[in-house]
Amino acid sequence: NAGVTQTPKFQVLKTGQSMTLQCAQDMNHEYMSWYRQDPGMGLRLIHYSVGAGITDQGEVPNGYNVSRSTTEDFPLRLLSAAPSQTSVYFCASGLGYGYTFGSGTRLTVV
Amino acid sequence: GENVEQHPSTLSVQEGDSAVIKCTYSDSASNYFPWYKQELGKRPQLIIDIRSNVGEKKDQRIAVTLNKTAKHFSLHITETQPEDSAVYFCAASMGGNQFYFGTGTSLTVIP
Repeated sequence: NAGVTQTPKFQVLKTGQSMTLQCAQDMNHEYMSWYRQDPGMGLRLIHYSVGAGITDQGEVPNGYNVSRSTTEDFPLRLLSAAPSQTSVYFCASGLGYGYTFGSGTRLTVV
Repeated sequence: GENVEQHPSTLSVQEGDSAVIKCTYSDSASNYFPWYKQELGKRPQLIIDIRSNVGEKKDQRIAVTLNKTAKHFSLHITETQPEDSAVYFCAASMGGNQFYFGTGTSLTVIP
């Protein structure tokens, strides 16, 4: 039981490049979410999903896309990276209460 | 949407003393309030949570209290130890997976 697995752990992108942050969970959780963590701003919700085929926007969705084709996977796509997207990204999963977080992806956009 | 405020942003205590972190929320529909601990460079980990039908919950040296009328909840850590040093986040939720987090409290326990 690996829990919530995120890849990659670190990434440097050039402005305008695109990439996908991967998130997978093996706990059969319905709910999955993506957060970004910036100094002094806590964790802010980007997108979330309540099950396969269902996604919705959180507080800060602009510049990000998600899809949920399976219960296990919830990738986050950056369409055209901007320096403002430099952050630590966390994926989380749960059953409605008590979320489990992945280990994070530290993204730098130059 | 929900707005969660957390205070203080930094807190230093002597080992063995108690630490209290306070949060307020704006949406009376919120009914679940977890607390997460994040050590440097690590993921947030759930340490305790409380639901709106309960006023207080304890787990060894950690306790959380909830005042629904005033819309605030607090984390209490007693007999602090150096390993309690971390950033603590409160959150509020109406269930499901829309969690709104506070901005964090950096706790330092001085040996």
